[in-house]
Amino acid sequence: DAGVIQSPRHEVTEMGQEVTLRCKPISGHDYLFWYRQTMMRGLELLIYFNNNVPIDDSGMPEDRFSAKMPNASFSTLKIQPSEPRDSAVYFCASSRLTDTQYFGPGTRLTVL
Amino acid sequence: QKEVEQNSGPLSVPEGAIASLNCTYSDRGSQSFFWYRQYSGKSPELIMFIYSNGDKEDGRFTAQLNKASQYVSLLIRDSQPSDSATYLCAVIRGGGSNYKLTFGKGTLLTVNP
Repeated sequence: DAGVIQSPRHEVTEMGQEVTLRCKPISGHDYLFWYRQTMMRGLELLIYFNNNVPIDDSGMPEDRFSAKMPNASFSTLKIQPSEPRDSAVYFCASSRLTDTQYFGPGTRLTVL
Repeated sequence: QKEVEQNSGPLSVPEGAIASLNCTYSDRGSQSFFWYRQYSGKSPELIMFIYSNGDKEDGRFTAQLNKASQYVSLLIRDSQPSDSATYLCAVIRGGGSNYKLTFGKGTLLTVNP
């Protein structure tokens, strides 16, 4: 199995631009998670899906953030408009049931 | 009180020594406990999980859980320089729509040759 796939690996954008991060979970996993990691706040759960349905988005920082999972093999996290404080590493993870989570390589986002 | 607390370190141990990493959690309803290792610039990877009170051993790693004290620890025996990384404690409560997972901020471990 290829593991969790994320793209792009690095993204540099200017404040105010729209950013879309992509994730392909491990086949057969029914849970998908989006995290944000910064030095100050550590690893934060933003949102998670179960069978493509968003279950808990209480970690999404504000309305500028949105996430979708149109099918079992694809999810997006969108930031519109982006701000410098959104700069972080964004991880996607997937799991079967609510057991061990497998993380993707992450997307390092820099907003100038 | 933070939900999951870890000493940020850095924790420095000599090669061959035992490294002890600690984690406390505030939610008494927590059910599952995980230790992840994260190398600099990489993603977290699972080291061990533990559900029941007591010790669980896997090679050089031992996870210890004490639910009464709301405490979980990870011991690394015969520490190697390759063990140098940040260790993240994760706590899960519930399942399905009540699933809640919280990570600690991690402890940076340095093993000196």
